[in-house]
Amino acid sequence: KAGVTQTPRYLIKTRGQQVTLSCSPISGHRSVSWYQQTPGQGLQFLFEYFSETQRNKGNFPGRFSGRQFSNSRSEMNVSTLELGDSALYLCASSLVPSGLNTNTGELFFGEGSRLTVL
Amino acid sequence: AQSVTQLDSQVPVFEEAPVELRCNYSSSVSVYLFWYVQYPNQGLQLLLKYLSGSTLVESINGFEAEFNKSQTSFHLRKPSVHISDTAEYFCAVSDINSGYSTLTFGKGTMLLVSP
Repeated sequence: KAGVTQTPRYLIKTRGQQVTLSCSPISGHRSVSWYQQTPGQGLQFLFEYFSETQRNKGNFPGRFSGRQFSNSRSEMNVSTLELGDSALYLCASSLVPSGLNTNTGELFFGEGSRLTVL
Repeated sequence: AQSVTQLDSQVPVFEEAPVELRCNYSSSVSVYLFWYVQYPNQGLQLLLKYLSGSTLVESINGFEAEFNKSQTSFHLRKPSVHISDTAEYFCAVSDINSGYSTLTFGKGTMLLVSP
């Protein structure tokens, strides 16, 4: 079955603009998480969604937001882009949300959306 | 809160040599432990995980890791590496009691295998 699909794969924006990234989870997976990967900070958790509800949020400013649709697809948005927002944004899906006994903690990652802010 | 330390940012090794990638974590609660691998221009793939039971876990491609609770370590080993193992390896933990499977990652170790 198809893996996690992220679009676009690459994009270039300028400071002050906003960007929306999309993620389609593996079929049947209902939990979607987002991570930011940069050379300096490594991989950092942004947020997790399940059943269209944000279940957990990392330590990022309010410019970073997300949502999940009824078909489990998710989008994240970054407004008023800054140079430091340049990063690889990774989406990951899992079968069940965190906190359930059946959750094995395994996340399935997409290939990421590489954002460059000029 | 948890933290993960991967002591080596880069590990160069010759093909067919053994390798160990070190991972130490800090947590006041019980954790799940993971190793993920990232090949160039790709996302992360789960290599192996420790949830409970035997402290020695193995992957299908010859890697193994041992959970050592007293030393809070989860080092990754392979007795004989291949060129194709060249990739970045990330150790990660999640707090099993927090109600979330949010992963806390280490900074990664780049494994460079040369002929």
